[in-house]
Amino acid sequence: EIVLTQSPATLSLSPGERATLSCRASQSVRTYLAWYQQKPGQAPRLLIYDVSNRATGIPTRFSGSGSGTDFTLTISSLEPEDFAVYYCQQRSNWPKTFGQGTKLEIK
Amino acid sequence: EVQLLESGGGLVPPGGSLRLSCAASGFTFSSYAMGWVRQAPGKGLEWVSSLSADGEATYYADSVKGRFTISRDNSKDTLYLQMNSLRAEDTAMYYCAKYRTVFGVDWFDLWGQGALVTVSP
Repeated sequence: EIVLTQSPATLSLSPGERATLSCRASQSVRTYLAWYQQKPGQAPRLLIYDVSNRATGIPTRFSGSGSGTDFTLTISSLEPEDFAVYYCQQRSNWPKTFGQGTKLEIK
Repeated sequence: EVQLLESGGGLVPPGGSLRLSCAASGFTFSSYAMGWVRQAPGKGLEWVSSLSADGEATYYADSVKGRFTISRDNSKDTLYLQMNSLRAEDTAMYYCAKYRTVFGVDWFDLWGQGALVTVSP
């Protein structure tokens, strides 16, 4: 099973700042990595798939990068609605595991 | 409107059974693989099971293999998760989700609102 480790566990920033979230895989997942956003009481939402492709309707301030084992989700300038929990997921191998999440909170 | 609506959650004793349903609307259900993801209270996401568009290929997490069965009825646009031999650690919100590409098993781009399953005496 591929283990995805996200860091940091919690990130405290202010609106307007840049956020950088990390996801590291225990073995290469090639470019088969996605990011999801989850707000309290809501279902997750697909943000980025295949490392760097924004899902439908996702603002351009969200971007993804990386390959192999190290990946990054960047939010260029935080909006109030961006404070949430973010999960990475791989689809390189079954089971299609998720990371443990990074909570992005308002500083 | 494109949506997924889960039902069938509830309180069940350890060792009991429950069947979740997920009614799809607004898209051609029979063209998309589907899956279930769960989230224990206060915890992260855990993929549970997936099923191909034609219902022929199934995939399970080791934690539920042999106890849970995923299925679909394409004539009713509905996905199911039959859960047997339930344990306390199966307590979670269960989300139904649709894969992004036609006939593909890639990323979940549509999620239901979730069905809460509580396993307790």
